[in-house]
Amino acid sequence: DQQVKQNSPSLSVQEGRISILNCDYTNSMFDYFLWYKKYPAEGPTFLISISSIKDKNEDGRFTVFLNKSAKHLSLHIVPSQPGDSAVYFCAASAYNFNKFYFGSGTKLNVKP
Amino acid sequence: DAGVTQSPTHLIKTRGQQVTLRCSPKSGHDTVSWYQQALGQGPQFIFQYYEEEERQRGNFPDRFSGHQFPNYSSELNVNALLLGDSALYLCASSSLGRSSNQPQHFGDGTRLSIL
Repeated sequence: DQQVKQNSPSLSVQEGRISILNCDYTNSMFDYFLWYKKYPAEGPTFLISISSIKDKNEDGRFTVFLNKSAKHLSLHIVPSQPGDSAVYFCAASAYNFNKFYFGSGTKLNVKP
Repeated sequence: DAGVTQSPTHLIKTRGQQVTLRCSPKSGHDTVSWYQQALGQGPQFIFQYYEEEERQRGNFPDRFSGHQFPNYSSELNVNALLLGDSALYLCASSSLGRSSNQPQHFGDGTRLSIL
């Protein structure tokens, strides 16, 4: 039973444009959400997080939006750069458990 | 400041054998979690160790066991290996003593292949 879903396995975007990666979850107990970026032959690298008390968190070119009623979060990358090409995973956990459920990932390709 | 380190990077075993994977957490972290990532999927939680005890466990059989040492490093043991155990095994560390809601930091993983 997949509690976190990323329905787009891949996304291709032109350099300088916006990349929008989406993630849906089913467990209403989740209250902490993260995005990780993964390059080949490396472990996932933490990118940005958001707790359920917020609906937006911004860090430079990266913004995460949370829609609790829709159980949906998204990651916006503006402007996209070729170095952003990687697999992006969203993850979620319920309070105080620090046990993360991951989506299956979206492979982002930013074309020069 | 050393991040999460895992060894070995690659391992080849045959069905029925046993394997031990090792992880050293990021400096200042006291909690280690292990994940299995099959090809084309996201990481799946195996279990988590804190204060040398297993705190939480995912949906994995008893063939998967672990240990945490006083220096916070950890081992993942898998017995009676099956072909389906072929995957990337990721270790992640965090510091539960500071905050419950914080990101986990991952190592580069051990690629385990079962022949």
